[in-house]
Amino acid sequence: AQSVTQLDSQVPVFEEAPVELRCNYSSSVSVYLFWYVQYPNQGLQLLLKYLSGSTLVESINGFEAEFNKSQTSFHLRKPSVHISDTAEYFCAVSDHKAAGNKLTFGGGTRVLVKP
Amino acid sequence: DAGITQSPRHKVTETGTPVTLRCHQTENHRYMYWYRQDPGHGLRLIHYSYGVKDTDKGEVSDGYSVSRSKTEDFLLTLESATSSQTSVYFCAISVGMTSTDTQYFGPGTRLTVL
Repeated sequence: AQSVTQLDSQVPVFEEAPVELRCNYSSSVSVYLFWYVQYPNQGLQLLLKYLSGSTLVESINGFEAEFNKSQTSFHLRKPSVHISDTAEYFCAVSDHKAAGNKLTFGGGTRVLVKP
Repeated sequence: DAGITQSPRHKVTETGTPVTLRCHQTENHRYMYWYRQDPGHGLRLIHYSYGVKDTDKGEVSDGYSVSRSKTEDFLLTLESATSSQTSVYFCAISVGMTSTDTQYFGPGTRLTVL
């Protein structure tokens, strides 16, 4: 079984400032790691994922996340946020070998970008 | 958006009544999922399906049942709704069958049980 902890439930940040959202996971097996974003009144969308290879993964809209196996973390960062980044962000993991592609989500971090 | 629709989008019901939520996809993906979203808990898996008439339980399946008689439709039923089932319900599909594949989510159904 896996568990995911997002250490901050809310993160207020000013426009053009950097932001970091923390995610730690616990698992007895190897996992794949995902960040999803939920804009207001919408469903979730994949932001980025780590499967293998380089531990730094990037999204098309300027976010990046780094997989740290020793610290079992997958923190999400953006060097300069925009108003449009206001959303809730979810970290999730899936078991390498389990059937069904089931995701375990963290509790979410709500990012509010202020002008 | 992988062609996922959910109906109804909003529903208010009373304790003890049965409720059925529908998820419809247009692309014949094999895997479909029902999650509930609650503050502080993120999304939790209720049930999932890996084909017509093939379903399995997730983390929070008590009080819920599902059916999948056609590839494109996945129904979630609350046999006797309780206030603890007030939540936002999301359907998702997986574009593949492995743990590397992306899940795509529907717009959600907000259910209130009075």
